Amino acid sequence: SQKIEQNSEALNIQEGKTATLTCNYTNYSPAYLQWYRQDPGRGPVFLLLIRENEKEKRKERLKVTFDTTLKQSLFHITASQPADSATYLCALGGGTGGYNKLIFGAGTRLAVHP
Amino acid sequence: DAGVIQSPRHEVTEMGQEVTLRCKPISGHNSLFWYRQTMMRGLELLIYFNNNVPIDDSGMPEDRFSAKMPNASFSTLKIQPSEPRDSAVYFCASSPPGGNEKLFFGSGTQLSVL
Repeated sequence: SQKIEQNSEALNIQEGKTATLTCNYTNYSPAYLQWYRQDPGRGPVFLLLIRENEKEKRKERLKVTFDTTLKQSLFHITASQPADSATYLCALGGGTGGYNKLIFGAGTRLAVHP
Repeated sequence: DAGVIQSPRHEVTEMGQEVTLRCKPISGHNSLFWYRQTMMRGLELLIYFNNNVPIDDSGMPEDRFSAKMPNASFSTLKIQPSEPRDSAVYFCASSPPGGNEKLFFGSGTQLSVL
């Protein structure tokens, strides 16, 4: 069955450092991959989308890579700030079940310490 | 612009009762998704609609769950009868037409079944 794995343990880093979060998947061939941010008590908020034919995408301090051979995406936050503390979810879409069907990983909690 | 609106924000009910969750997607969006989030299972896709038509309901746990979308501006998720294991946060999300695949989530309904 389709499986998406994200680091289950929280990632603790110092302010100013680069945070790197990992998303691995199996038994799935997504057309695109997305990253969302979720704060406690709120719904997820879209951050970035990367398609299967793209290797890397950037947006301000965020960078996403997508390796369809390794079946892995890396999400980087450079110059991290305490305000970046949240849970980050990766999501795969465009596979079986319809192009718009989006399946989420369990998320990784990031804590940025001053 | 108003985002995705869900109601109620919180629902506490007793086992065996009927529960109806409501969602108003963003105007102009033509895809609507219902997700359930728990600590154990993360964010699970229950069902999604495209142009008011259910496309994939393979995530609906069992016959106790049903979803409708009578028009482009309203959807309901009903649980009858409810059970304690249904306790979770239920999110509704919508996305616009034209190949823009990112989802806009509501604030969720926290459901507690006693």
